[in-house]
Amino acid sequence: DQQVKQNSPSLSVQEGRISILNCDYTNSMFDYFLWYKKYPAEGPTFLISISSIKDKNEDGRFTVFLNKSAKHLSLHIVPSQPGDSAVYFCAATDNYGQNFVFGPGTRLSVLP
Amino acid sequence: DTGVSQDPRHKITKRGQNVTFRCDPISEHNRLYWYRQTLGQGPEFLTYFQNEAQLEKSRLLSDRFSAERPKGSFSTLEIQRTEQGDSAMYLCASSPVGSSGNTIYFGEGSWLTVV
Repeated sequence: DQQVKQNSPSLSVQEGRISILNCDYTNSMFDYFLWYKKYPAEGPTFLISISSIKDKNEDGRFTVFLNKSAKHLSLHIVPSQPGDSAVYFCAATDNYGQNFVFGPGTRLSVLP
Repeated sequence: DTGVSQDPRHKITKRGQNVTFRCDPISEHNRLYWYRQTLGQGPEFLTYFQNEAQLEKSRLLSDRFSAERPKGSFSTLEIQRTEQGDSAMYLCASSPVGSSGNTIYFGEGSWLTVV
């Protein structure tokens, strides 16, 4: 039972354009959501997070949107850069922050 | 560097051997997590410590796996009688307790190949 889903295994975007990565979750107990970026042979790096009391959080080129009623979140990267090419994982946790559940990831390729 | 540190980064072992991985969390982070990641999958939760107490274990953690955090600082993950299916990246992460505790920070991972 996959509680966090990322239905697009891969995404290709032209440099300078917007990248939109999507994530869906099923557990209504989740109330904190995170995005991580992972390069090959490295551990995941924290990018941005959002609490369920918000619907948007922005940090530089990265914005995360949360739609609680749809149990859906998305990560927008504007403008996309070749260095953004990596695997992006969506993660979710409950208020206690004890168990973080990760999606399977989306591989983003930003083409020069 | 004060990030999460893992050792060794790579380990190749023969089936049936025991292996041990070490994790040094970020200083003053009370919580320490172990995850496993295989190709094409996201990190899968294995176990979690708050200080020296192991508070949760996944069903993925069979009897051959044991994790310790004896003094509430570094942690070890031991796999006994390794099997080829144990080949994966083993990730350690840590987080503080409190209002900022809802973010975990990963180390570089330890690659295990069982031949």
